[in-house]
Amino acid sequence: EAGVTQFPSHSVIEKGQTVTLRCDPISGHDNLYWYRRVMGKEIKFLLHFVKESKQDESGMPNNRFLAERTGGTYSTLKVQPAELEDSGVYFCASSQLDREWEQYFGPGTRLTVT
Amino acid sequence: KQEVTQIPAALSVPEGENLVLNCSFTDSAIYNLQWFRQDPGKGLTSLLLIQSSQREQTSGRLNASLDKSSGRSTLYIAASQPGDSATYLCAVHTGGFKTIFGAGTRLFVKA
Repeated sequence: EAGVTQFPSHSVIEKGQTVTLRCDPISGHDNLYWYRRVMGKEIKFLLHFVKESKQDESGMPNNRFLAERTGGTYSTLKVQPAELEDSGVYFCASSQLDREWEQYFGPGTRLTVT
Repeated sequence: KQEVTQIPAALSVPEGENLVLNCSFTDSAIYNLQWFRQDPGKGLTSLLLIQSSQREQTSGRLNASLDKSSGRSTLYIAASQPGDSATYLCAVHTGGFKTIFGAGTRLFVKA
């Protein structure tokens, strides 16, 4: 069984540019979560999808961040325009609908904004 | 506001030593607590999940305890091995499916 995959593994962009991160959850997992770890700090929750619906997006830092999950499969997280403080590692996780704590994490996307 | 603190931030031990990693949280109203392991460039791997009604969980050389009333958890690693070198993260699950992470403890086990 394939795990959670994320693309790209690393992205370096200039301030003001746009970047789109992609997450492919484990097949059949209706719950999808985005987290972020800024350098030196703890991993923080960004948002939670149940299928294609946003269940909780209280962790999204501001309106420069837009997450989508069309069709309830893969998800994208777009940052537009990127700022220096957006640098960090973005993790995606997925879980089955009735096992929300059994989250499987992807390897993360390291985003560097220069 | 729930906060999770992990002590120490980093730890270096010789192979074979038993060690304890500490995690504390400020709000005892949690659903459960989970310990993860993260290797460089990899995702998080769940090690142990303790329900709020439980006191401990064991898996192989790992034992995690939970004292909800005092807001503490410990991860005990017996007979440490170089392959145990990684960052260990503690996370508490609160209402609304939110997960609050600690900053982690970086463990290095010397051969």
